[in-house]
Amino acid sequence: QVQLVESGGGVVQPGRSLRLSCTTSGFTFSTYGMHWVRQAPGKGLKWVAVIWYDGSNKYYADSVRGRFTISRDNSKNTLYLQMNYLGVEDTAMYYCARAVGPFDFWGQGTMVTVSS
Amino acid sequence: EIVMTQSPNTLSVSPGERVTLSCRASQSVSSNLAWYRQKPGQTPRLLVYGASTRATGMPARFSGSGSGTEFTLTITSLQSEDFALYYCQQYDNWPHTFGQGTELEIK
Repeated sequence: QVQLVESGGGVVQPGRSLRLSCTTSGFTFSTYGMHWVRQAPGKGLKWVAVIWYDGSNKYYADSVRGRFTISRDNSKNTLYLQMNYLGVEDTAMYYCARAVGPFDFWGQGTMVTVSS
Repeated sequence: EIVMTQSPNTLSVSPGERVTLSCRASQSVSSNLAWYRQKPGQTPRLLVYGASTRATGMPARFSGSGSGTEFTLTITSLQSEDFALYYCQQYDNWPHTFGQGTELEIK
């Protein structure tokens, strides 16, 4: 069955970096676009970034462009999100999601807390 | 950026009732509209895509309609697991924006 498992979250100080991973199984990872979506505590869903199935295209939300980098390793069936210059506004649960247009499968999320 | 606006923010209903949730896009998204349900403490789950196609495994009590800028999600005969947050999302243009959510609470 399709599985997406995020990892790499934690507590980090403002200005520091963190790299999230999303390890997948149960489908042909290299044929799907993949997204990151985040949800601040008690708030709604916010789309963060997308990467094409082959890594050829990437798009970012304005709030993270220039600070976050989405990437993938199709040989490892894994999606990444490198987050630099983190601010308190980046505190959220981060989900990876498989894209077929809509997001048909989501991971359970990894929590990122930015705090001094 | 396309702004998605859901209404109402909160809806108080009784189990077994029928409810309609609304979602409006600031510009046309054709039928590239999805609905998700997020139960407390859980991951969002795809309910409807293409504005009106139920996702795999979703029961027939969920139905979506609309196109362009106006969309609705109707849930007939509310079950206990339906008291949750509902989000619409357009995937017609980047960024793929979500609405702010509608919370269904038990009356």
